[in-house]
Amino acid sequence: EPEVTQTPSHQVTQMGQEVILRCVPISNHLYFYWYRQILGQKVEFLVSFYNNEISEKSEIFDDQFSVERPDGSNFTLKIRSTKLEDSAMYFCASSAVDPFYGYTFGSGTRLTVV
Amino acid sequence: SQQGEEDPQALSIQEGENATMNCSYKTSINNLQWYRQNSGRGLVHLILIRSNEREKHSGRLRVTLDTSKKSSSLLITASRAADTASYFCAKGNNAGNMLTFGGGTRLMVKP
Repeated sequence: EPEVTQTPSHQVTQMGQEVILRCVPISNHLYFYWYRQILGQKVEFLVSFYNNEISEKSEIFDDQFSVERPDGSNFTLKIRSTKLEDSAMYFCASSAVDPFYGYTFGSGTRLTVV
Repeated sequence: SQQGEEDPQALSIQEGENATMNCSYKTSINNLQWYRQNSGRGLVHLILIRSNEREKHSGRLRVTLDTSKKSSSLLITASRAADTASYFCAKGNNAGNMLTFGGGTRLMVKP
């Protein structure tokens, strides 16, 4: 069964450093998403991406965050200057032509900011 | 606003019993989705039910949607120890761009 692949599975970074989280969505999917889950809290929407541009973003997704689809397969989330409160599990997801058929999530990247 | 709030927050049952989890929401939805998450792992899509549907089945899973009450339920029949996980409902907005997750129900199935 097709999978969404995320790397790395765990990243530790110093506060103030830039991090890039990587995702390879399912190849024929057209919609891409990032969500995050702070330990013990709800899964929160960050951003959706379609047709090479952001289609929707949450209040969490401020100027410190950016997304990119640098080639035909990767989808990245960049955090420019990490804060302690950015520590969370970050999930990438993708959906097919019609997003109403449900998303496929990756297994996540656990980001720890120290 | 709170969307996709589940209850109970935690549920412990014996293997073979049925587990019912409920989800409420406040504003209109296009669809409601249920996901499963094993501890520290990713989210696995279980079922999507559209706003014009009332019930859907998938194996041992049954989901109902009552748009008049703005609520949904997930029933797992004949539960197994392997069903132990957290279960989340997520509201799909009309644009289909984002999901709003609830806090989840932690299900423990004792062998």
